[in-house]
Amino acid sequence: SYELTQPPSVSVSPGQTARITCSGDALPKKFAYWYQQKSGQAPVLVIYEDSKRPSGIRERFSGSRSGTMATLTISGAQVEDEADYYCYSADSSGLWVFGGGTKLTVL
Amino acid sequence: EVQLVESGGGLVQPGGSLRLSCAASGFTFSSYWLSWVRQAPGKGLEWVAKINEDGSDKYYVDSVKGRFIISRDNAKNSLYLQMNSLRAEDTAVYYCATIEYWGQGTLVTVSA
Repeated sequence: SYELTQPPSVSVSPGQTARITCSGDALPKKFAYWYQQKSGQAPVLVIYEDSKRPSGIRERFSGSRSGTMATLTISGAQVEDEADYYCYSADSSGLWVFGGGTKLTVL
Repeated sequence: EVQLVESGGGLVQPGGSLRLSCAASGFTFSSYWLSWVRQAPGKGLEWVAKINEDGSDKYYVDSVKGRFIISRDNAKNSLYLQMNSLRAEDTAVYYCATIEYWGQGTLVTVSA
């Protein structure tokens, strides 16, 4: 079955840039989406179609995709950005899959 | 305001059945693909099933094929998940979602 691979954890100091990667064989042909999930809450979409930001999402969140890898970048990460982040995409047959999630620590 | 409200979760014995519902409001329900996504306690997100705008196309993760059925009623702005032959590993919070909008989830616990 198709898999999206993320690092289990990323740690940065406040104000630094955090980068979370997501790799998958179908990514060259499929959009990537990124969700933020804080403890006890439902996920929130922070990036869609690789690099678009929904209304209400801070400008410090950006996304990119190159080849088999998508990247979520948080420029000037804040303590409030501490959360689990998940990438989401489809395989070649259109079935959706989430990455395993990355725990972002900002301290 | 967009709202997705799940209901129908609870405690069920292995082998039992449950039907989850999701009531939607605040957007044009019939124009969206909809999915069920679940999250086992302390684990990551898992996409479970999706259905197209008019209910004619349905897709499932392999682990639930033949046991779960996704359906929708556009006249009632509602999404459903019929879950049969439930297993302990189906224990999770189940979310109703579009790409952008998510409900708060309903907990399903499968235990004797």
